[in-house]
Amino acid sequence: GNSVTQMEGPVTLSEEAFLTINCTYTATGYPSLFWYVQYPGEGLQLLLKATKADDKGSNKGFEATYRKETTSFHLEKGSVQVSDSAVYFCALKLDEAGANNLFFGTGTRLTVIP
Amino acid sequence: DAGITQSPRHKVTETGTPVTLRCHQTENHRYMYWYRQDPGHGLRLIHYSYGVKDTDKGEVSDGYSVSRSKTEDFLLTLESATSSQTSVYFCAIRRGLGTSGRGEQFFGPGTRLTVL
Repeated sequence: GNSVTQMEGPVTLSEEAFLTINCTYTATGYPSLFWYVQYPGEGLQLLLKATKADDKGSNKGFEATYRKETTSFHLEKGSVQVSDSAVYFCALKLDEAGANNLFFGTGTRLTVIP
Repeated sequence: DAGITQSPRHKVTETGTPVTLRCHQTENHRYMYWYRQDPGHGLRLIHYSYGVKDTDKGEVSDGYSVSRSKTEDFLLTLESATSSQTSVYFCAIRRGLGTSGRGEQFFGPGTRLTVL
């Protein structure tokens, strides 16, 4: 089947620390991979994406590389800020005809302290 | 901003009562989705629609029905709400290949439903 596993939270970091949130996936086809971010009280926003192996998605200082050999899409940021405090979701989508719905991980809550 | 609104934003209801949540979009997209978000589960698909009057079930459809009588509105109905349906419900649209953000899903602000 199709599933996403991401690291358990919560994660608490000091400002300017390095962030890694691990994400691995299982898919029946060739998925596109996404990271979504949910700020407190808001809906999900697309943070970055990658559509094929070895692609790197990046946005707002966050990066993730689509690694087919390890079925991973780990999220990284070199220096986090308090404003990055949010819940981060890894997700996959199969690019085939049909619903094209997203399969989500359970989410990782990040808290950045000054 | 993908022009998605959800109503109501918060609702408290009692077990056994019917509840309808509304998702409204302004961009005329074909695909619309209802997800629920629960701790430890992330988001899970309830139902989706691929056009007016065209809907299909998702992973957790039991206890829910949907209707789409016009492109802009996608309704989620709990015929007889149960405490297990206490959750945050998100609507999403999928932008078509001819638009910016092609093929990506964009989410509404969510509806927090509490069933007592």
